[in-house]
Amino acid sequence: EVQLVESGGGLVQPGGSLRLSCAASGFTFTSYYMSWVRQAPGRGLEWVASIKDDGSDKYYVHSVTGRFSISRDNAKTSVYLQMNSLTAEDTAVYYCARGLTYCSGGACYLVYFDHWGQGALVTVSS
Amino acid sequence: DIQMTQSPSTLSASIGDRVTITCRASQSISSWLAWYQQKPGKAPKLLMFKASSLESGVPSRFSGSGSGTEFTLTITSLQPDDFATYYCQQYDSYPYTFGLGTKLEIK
Repeated sequence: EVQLVESGGGLVQPGGSLRLSCAASGFTFTSYYMSWVRQAPGRGLEWVASIKDDGSDKYYVHSVTGRFSISRDNAKTSVYLQMNSLTAEDTAVYYCARGLTYCSGGACYLVYFDHWGQGALVTVSS
Repeated sequence: DIQMTQSPSTLSASIGDRVTITCRASQSISSWLAWYQQKPGKAPKLLMFKASSLESGVPSRFSGSGSGTEFTLTITSLQPDDFATYYCQQYDSYPYTFGLGTKLEIK
């Protein structure tokens, strides 16, 4: 059974930092892109960042570029989101999600998300 | 960035009804579209991918169609478990984007 368990959420002051972790199990971790998707209170879903299976490629939504960093440790089957310079607009539930890939012409691309964690709440407030 | 517009934002329906949710992309995304269902306090659940492919384990009363810029999610014979919020997501190009959601309520 695929399991994704987020941790590290909490209350942080504006300008502060936080690191989210997602522990994965039940599948071959090294075969999948991993991603973070967030949802502000009462709002819709927003893709935040993705990392390729081997960690060689990383992608970010514009609003977090330069502030957030996604990484993974394949030996620990975990993915992380380092969040710096946090603002109130970053307040959200952050979901870890497994991404499937589509391969064509020798390249593989992240497509959609087939398994999600339960989410970690990040609140940015003074 | 590709904008995804869903309509309606809220939909009221009864058990047994057939409902359709529309998702429009601001530019062509071929068939690179997924649909998710989310219930309050829970993580999203994948329903459909590649516009019309049903995820394993999802009931066959769910179906999807469309390509290019216009897509639909149809639920035939609504069941109590179907009342939730539905999101479309494009994966044609980064940044991947979601629609704002359609809340399906019991009439």
